[in-house]
Amino acid sequence: DVKVTQSSRYLVKRTGEKVFLECVQDMDHENMFWYRQDPGLGLRLIYFSYDVKMKEKGDIPEGYSVSREKKERFSLILESASTNQTSMYLCASSLRQYNQPQHFGDGTRLSIL
Amino acid sequence: DQQVKQNSPSLSVQEGRISILNCDYTNSMFDYFLWYKKYPAEGPTFLISISSIKDKNEDGRFTVFLNKSAKHLSLHIVPSQPGDSAVYFCAASDSGAGSYQLTFGKGTKLSVIP
Repeated sequence: DVKVTQSSRYLVKRTGEKVFLECVQDMDHENMFWYRQDPGLGLRLIYFSYDVKMKEKGDIPEGYSVSREKKERFSLILESASTNQTSMYLCASSLRQYNQPQHFGDGTRLSIL
Repeated sequence: DQQVKQNSPSLSVQEGRISILNCDYTNSMFDYFLWYKKYPAEGPTFLISISSIKDKNEDGRFTVFLNKSAKHLSLHIVPSQPGDSAVYFCAASDSGAGSYQLTFGKGTKLSVIP
């Protein structure tokens, strides 16, 4: 079974702080993704990576950056947290093959005060 | 521009009856479709998928139907159980674009009433 682990289930930070969200997968997947989920908006893609050191912007990258130094680990960084970044953040991974599902972690509920 | 649409935000069904969740898409290049189930405070769980070369895929109580001409897919759950109460997301991808990304709908909340 694929295991995608997000480092924190709940996190509370203050406006202006630099925030790190960590994600680790144990299935040797090449692809990794970061989404945020907000009520009524579904899942929106922030950034993704198809390989180590590689990153691509998704639909809503503003205010975020990512890091992929190792194949199994994909970090999301909020450079200067703002209240509108309060959300549920979801990490996913998949094989680098077409027609493959993405597998998700349990999410991090982030609150910015 | 929403490429994957789930027009019903919520659906209530009696236990034992059929649940039908619908999804429409606008991008004719989508060739792989998936359904995910999400409980509160958990990540989405992959449920079932279908490739555009098929029009039906079945897995136990779950069946997905694809109508390419109408750009419509549906998820049937028979019989519905209280544990099926969750938010269901439809997703699609376009392998021809060289992309592994999924485009998600906004979700339908299913409530199965005992």
